[in-house]
Amino acid sequence: EADIYQTPRYLVIGTGKKITLECSQTMGHDKMYWYQQDPGMELHLIHYSYGVNSTEKGDLSSESTVSRIRTEHFPLTLESARPSHTSQYLCASSELLIEFFGQGTRLTVV
Amino acid sequence: GESVGLHLPTLSVQEGDNSIINCAYSNSASDYFIWYKQESGKGPQFIIDIRSNMDKRQGQRVTVLLNKTVKHLSLQIAATQPGDSAVYFCAENRGAGTALIFGKGTTLSVSS
Repeated sequence: EADIYQTPRYLVIGTGKKITLECSQTMGHDKMYWYQQDPGMELHLIHYSYGVNSTEKGDLSSESTVSRIRTEHFPLTLESARPSHTSQYLCASSELLIEFFGQGTRLTVV
Repeated sequence: GESVGLHLPTLSVQEGDNSIINCAYSNSASDYFIWYKQESGKGPQFIIDIRSNMDKRQGQRVTVLLNKTVKHLSLQIAATQPGDSAVYFCAENRGAGTALIFGKGTTLSVSS
């Protein structure tokens, strides 16, 4: 089982604020992913990375951006939060095909 | 677009019963499938996987069945326990170098 950590677990923030969701993994996995998930619904891929300095957009259009400067770290940034960004954000990493997930960040924009 | 889907959004069972959760996929090129369990407030957790060259795979109290003819995947949980209550997702991989594609999820409720 991979060790993958997300902070913060919960965040309530005002409209227009800039936020960064943190994700770190200690397994040395090259591949990392960000998913967006509404409660009980399917996961939608918003960003992924296959290694340092590699980032791609996923299937779901997102106004967020990501960076991958270090293997273990894959932060997600929203430059200007809006109520439509309210959701759960899940980070995952993988070496082969199995993706291992963090606990998620539940974001509420008011 | 093509996606992985589950037949039923909810399933309620009694403790000790066997549970069967179903999933249909549409892409015949998918060659690897995973079942995940997601408890409230947590991220998805790997349960069991199966490759397309297999029909069945067994784990501890769980069995995954793959029917490639009708593009159907199922997860069987034996002697379901209250701790099995969660949302279950199937996910497919359509080739090396691609991310998993997740279905909509089935909420399993186990009453004692």
